[in-house]
Amino acid sequence: RKEVEQDPGPFNVPEGATVAFNCTYSNSASQSFFWYRQDCRKEPKLLMSVYSSGNEDGRFTAQLNRASQYISLLIRDSKLSDSATYLCVVVSGGSYIPTFGRGTSLIVHP
Amino acid sequence: NAGVMQNPRHLVRRRGQEARLRCSPMKGHSHVYWYRQLPEEGLKFMVYLQKENIIDESGMPKERFSAEFPKEGPSILRIQQVVRGDSAAYFCASSGETNSPLHFGNGTRLTVT
Repeated sequence: RKEVEQDPGPFNVPEGATVAFNCTYSNSASQSFFWYRQDCRKEPKLLMSVYSSGNEDGRFTAQLNRASQYISLLIRDSKLSDSATYLCVVVSGGSYIPTFGRGTSLIVHP
Repeated sequence: NAGVMQNPRHLVRRRGQEARLRCSPMKGHSHVYWYRQLPEEGLKFMVYLQKENIIDESGMPKERFSAEFPKEGPSILRIQQVVRGDSAAYFCASSGETNSPLHFGNGTRLTVT
């Protein structure tokens, strides 16, 4: 089983839609979780950290489910500019190495 | 407030040559990570360094690849005797503490001809 797994998509949604991505991780000792966004041929950029209690930043909501070992990202009212690849990142206790999922591709169309 | 600086942005090398990729972390950051990304692939961890120390190089090929982060100056990822399979985007990231988010540079796109 891969350390961090994501559905590659693509998720094709119309503007204004709500879309959710999940990411599963295998190491139960994982400590920190993040969502990044990567545009084509660009560097990954931090979207948000994921906290145990869940957190929201504008149209974006992140959740952590430690029991089932997954994190989620919900995007409300999708914009064309949200089209990108969304990367899940997990940092395992002990190694302190951030491990990236392969990413989920989102395409928002008019 | 300069971010993570990588250079060169693009690097073309012939097979057998050496490639040197440089990375200056964000000001105040002492943790540097190198990742490689092949086309249509995810980011693969290569090496994690702090000043003058390699903390974890478990993702780096045993041969031809080396990395350093000297007391003064940028971190260097060095690839000797490059082969076509080394063609990829190499991203450097830095953080201020373990478990903190990474901040990425623009990457170096290496093409081996």
